[in-house]
Parts: sequence; structure tokens; C-alpha cells
Amino acid sequence: GENVEQHPSTLSVQEGDSAVIKCTYSDSASNYFPWYKQELGKRPQLIIDIRSNVGEKKDQRIAVTLNKTAKHFSLHITETQPEDSAVYFCAASRSGGYNKLIFGAGTRLAVHP
Amino acid sequence: DAGITQSPRYKITETGRQVTLMCHQTWSHSYMFWYRQDLGHGLRLIYYSAAADITDKGEVSDGYVVSRSKTENFPLTLESATRSQTSVYFCASRAGTGGENEQFFGPGTRLTVL
Repeated sequence: GENVEQHPSTLSVQEGDSAVIKCTYSDSASNYFPWYKQELGKRPQLIIDIRSNVGEKKDQRIAVTLNKTAKHFSLHITETQPEDSAVYFCAASRSGGYNKLIFGAGTRLAVHP
Repeated sequence: DAGITQSPRYKITETGRQVTLMCHQTWSHSYMFWYRQDLGHGLRLIYYSAAADITDKGEVSDGYVVSRSKTENFPLTLESATRSQTSVYFCASRAGTGGENEQFFGPGTRLTVL
């Protein structure tokens, strides 16, 4: 079955720096890759996703890149702010019914003022 | 976010007791999921359901039972709670039937088994 590995498990940056989180997946048929942000004590919430027909997607300070050949995708956060501090989860799934997300183990990002 | 709710939000129980966690969504989403979240393990799938009366096991289903008699409800039961089931439990539902559709999470239930 699908396996998603996520690195690093913890990441500490200074405010204003960039942060990069990387994930690799094993199922070459996966074609949907969302990223969820979970603030302390809160539920995970989708922040950005990418489908296999594109290599990059941006939304203001966050971007996701996908390399289907190498089976890895990354989350990039630029100009980090303290409110970016959270746990970030990547996930992968095939499209179509009866398929389900497989999550990475998460990355705890700390942004220091 | 208000469309998917969980109850109770906090629960303390004892080993061996039966516990039921409730999940309710108002979007009429076909797919619903139960996850548990433990430090170092991320979100692990317990059970999922494609529609009323259709359920299937996830990767950590032992010791859990689900039912789905109505589309909007997806209760999770721990038949005989163990300390290892102390965790935060999240219910989720999915917009659309395909795996490429956004998944929405409930607020979570923090369960402690003494």
C-alpha cells in the first residue's frame, strides 16, 4: 500500500526566513497531494493542494512543488511569521472513489520572532 | 467548519469500559473517516465509510467498531477500552466521492483511558 514519509520532523526558523518541508510517496498512481496545517489544540485544515497535472502551485506565501518522476513533493513557506508555527501534514491519494488519504507523520514548525 | 461536529470533546474512562464517540456532519458528504492522532504517528486511519451501511477498516482498526445507519452520523465505539487507546480522535468527511476531493476534519475528541 501507499506510504508517505515526511521530513524533517521538527523545523525551527527565524521570522522572515523560508521553511521547506519534504515528502516522498511510494504509490506511483497517487495524483492528489494536499497539505494540512494543525495549530496547537485545533483540527487539521487544508492550506494548499496539488494535483499531478501541474508541477507547482502558489498561494501568497505558500507554494507546493511536485516531482512525479522522483515521487516527492514539497511545501515552501516564504517570509515566515510566528502564526505559521504549527504542525504540517502532507498526504497523498489516488483519485476516484473509495480512495483515501495517506498522511505523513507531520512536521512541527516553530517560527521565532 | 461548523458543518462537522464531534462529541464529547473530552472523555475520561476506565480500562474495560465501552465508549462511543459521536461524529455528525451537515453537508451530506458520502465519505466519512475516523483517525487517531498520537505523538510521532501523525494521523492514522481507524475506519472509513463510503455511504450509509458501507464501512471498511483502516490501518489501526483492532478494538474499534463503527456503524453508519444515517449519512450524517458516523459513531466510533471502543468495545473494551485499553490504555493504548488514549489518544485524540478526529472524524472527517470528504466533499465528493473521489480521493482527490478536500477532506474536512471535526474538532476532535480527547480520550483518556485510565
